[in-house]
Order: sequence, then structure tokens, then C-alpha cells
Amino acid sequence: DTGVSQDPRHKITKRGQNVTFRCDPISEHNRLYWYRQTLGQGPEFLTYFQNEAQLEKSRLLSDRFSAERPKGSFSTLEIQRTEQGDSAMYLCASSLEREGNIQYFGAGTRLSVL
Amino acid sequence: AQRVTQPEKLLSVFKGAPVELKCNYSYSGSPELFWYVQYSRQRLQLLLRHISRESIKGFTADLNKGETSFHLKKPFAQEEDSAMYYCALGGDSWGKLQFGAGTQVVVTP
Repeated sequence: DTGVSQDPRHKITKRGQNVTFRCDPISEHNRLYWYRQTLGQGPEFLTYFQNEAQLEKSRLLSDRFSAERPKGSFSTLEIQRTEQGDSAMYLCASSLEREGNIQYFGAGTRLSVL
Repeated sequence: AQRVTQPEKLLSVFKGAPVELKCNYSYSGSPELFWYVQYSRQRLQLLLRHISRESIKGFTADLNKGETSFHLKKPFAQEEDSAMYYCALGGDSWGKLQFGAGTQVVVTP
């Protein structure tokens, strides 16, 4: 297991297009998180899954954003009708509930909206 | 409201000098504090957490609830310590983290 995997690493899209990112957590990690990071800022929480259930969504996550985690394994984050303000690094992290709050991060997907 | 403040965006120190990265937080519940580090071209990784009370790579951090601080310290900085450091606050039962804006540490020989 090489850790949390995110795909693609980079995505360039035109404004108004839809994009989808994928995150594969560490095997057996039942918790999965999505964060967004813009230049000069720390990661900001977007949403969280425990197994397949999405338990919280940040106010940052407008209705153009949707995340899923079917079967409690990999997760996808979709952004519809992208805007230039969506340009950011999207980070995924996973954790094992019995290990407490230690989160392991993926390398991220960098989105550029032109 | 939950908040993490890292007042220094950039910290430049000489090799062998002490380094201290400041982190202050505001949280009404029982906080759980972390330091994460990101080396150049690498992913974000956990450096240490307050409940383990251990020293990692020579770094230590003490939670001071009275001053609501969790400063990161190392007595003798090394060039390989050059990285971006983020202080993070947890506390919810399911582990959402609130990050500070980060401090870039540059250690010069």
C-alpha cells in the first residue's frame, strides 16, 4: 500500500466545464476527508465520509460540488460548471477511526480553471 | 469560532540556531493539536500531535491551554528542516482538522 492516491495530479479545464477527481484511501481506512488549498493558505475542510456515509459538508462546498464514496472505498469529488475561483489544490486524506485523528494525505489534484 | 493562527509566514534561521514556530488557537471544547510538515515536492505529513508528547526529528511542542498555544520548537535547526509547517486543530469526534496558514521555514548554512 503506497498511501493515499489521487488522480489526476493536474487538471486544466475551461470555465463552465465539469471535472471529477478520484481519491483512493489507504486500505481499511474508514474515514475519508476532502480539503481545498489555495495559494498562501492552509488546507480548508470540504467534506468527510465515515465508510460510505457523508457526514458533514462545509459551507465552502456550494451546490456545484458533490462528493461520493460508494461502497466505502474510493471517493470522487465532482465540480460542475467550474469557475475560475475553483482553481486550487484539492487534497484527500484518510484515517482509521481507532488511530484517532491522524490523517494521511494524498499528493493532491491541482485544478486550473481558465 | 474555531481558529488557528500562525503569525509568521516566513522564518529564516541559520543552521544550528534554535527555531520556534508559533501557533495559537481558539476552541471552546477540548482541543487536539497537530503539527503537519510539507517538504519540497512531497505530500503533507504528520510531524507530531500533542497527546503523544514525543519528540520527532528533534522537534517538540507543548500544549498550553492557558495561553491557547501549541508552539513548535527545535534547539538546533538543520538544513533538512527547511519546509512548510502547518499547525492544525482537531477536537470533533470525527476528526475534521482546521489548519493555520502555515509558516515557511528556511534554514541557511
